[in-house]
Amino acid sequence: DQQVKQNSPSLSVQEGRISILNCDYTNSMFDYFLWYKKYPAEGPTFLISISSIKDKNEDGRFTVFLNKSAKHLSLHIVPSQPGDSAVYFCAASALTGETSGSRLTFGEGTQLTVNP
Amino acid sequence: GAGVSQSPSNKVTEKGKDVELRCDPISGHTALYWYRQSLGQGLEFLIYFQGNSAPDKSGLPSDRFSAERTGGSVSTLTIQRTQQEDSAVYLCASKLGRSLYNEQFFGPGTRLTVL
Repeated sequence: DQQVKQNSPSLSVQEGRISILNCDYTNSMFDYFLWYKKYPAEGPTFLISISSIKDKNEDGRFTVFLNKSAKHLSLHIVPSQPGDSAVYFCAASALTGETSGSRLTFGEGTQLTVNP
Repeated sequence: GAGVSQSPSNKVTEKGKDVELRCDPISGHTALYWYRQSLGQGLEFLIYFQGNSAPDKSGLPSDRFSAERTGGSVSTLTIQRTQQEDSAVYLCASKLGRSLYNEQFFGPGTRLTVL
């Protein structure tokens, strides 16, 4: 049961253009969403997050949009740069109990390639 | 060190052997997580430690998997009688406190290959 899905395994964009990465979830208990970026042979690093009380969060070139009714979120990168080429993971979390400690449920990842 | 470290970085083993994977979290982080990423899959939660509380083992896929965290710091994930389907990258993460909003910092992972 894949509760977080990233349906596009790969995305290729030109430098300077917008990159849009999408993510869908099924569990209505999720109330915090994150994007992680992963380079080869490294662990994922946190990029940006959004709480379910918001529908948009912006940090520099990165903006995350949340549509709770559609259970959909997206990450916009603009302008895209070659150094943004990496795998991007969408993740979701819910407070499920005293000891569950905000485990993250991840999507499969999207490989973004930004071409110079 | 400043970040989460894991060892070994790569491990190749034969089916049926036991393996131990080690995680050194960031100093002072009370929360520690193990995840694994199989080929073409997202990261799958395995187990969570928070301070002296009982660990959340609900993500462990079978009783061949176990983990411990000694002294609230270093953690070891043990896989007994390894199977080929155990081949994956095993990632450890640590976090300060138990707040939902605190960032999880990941190590580089251990790539396990079971022949």
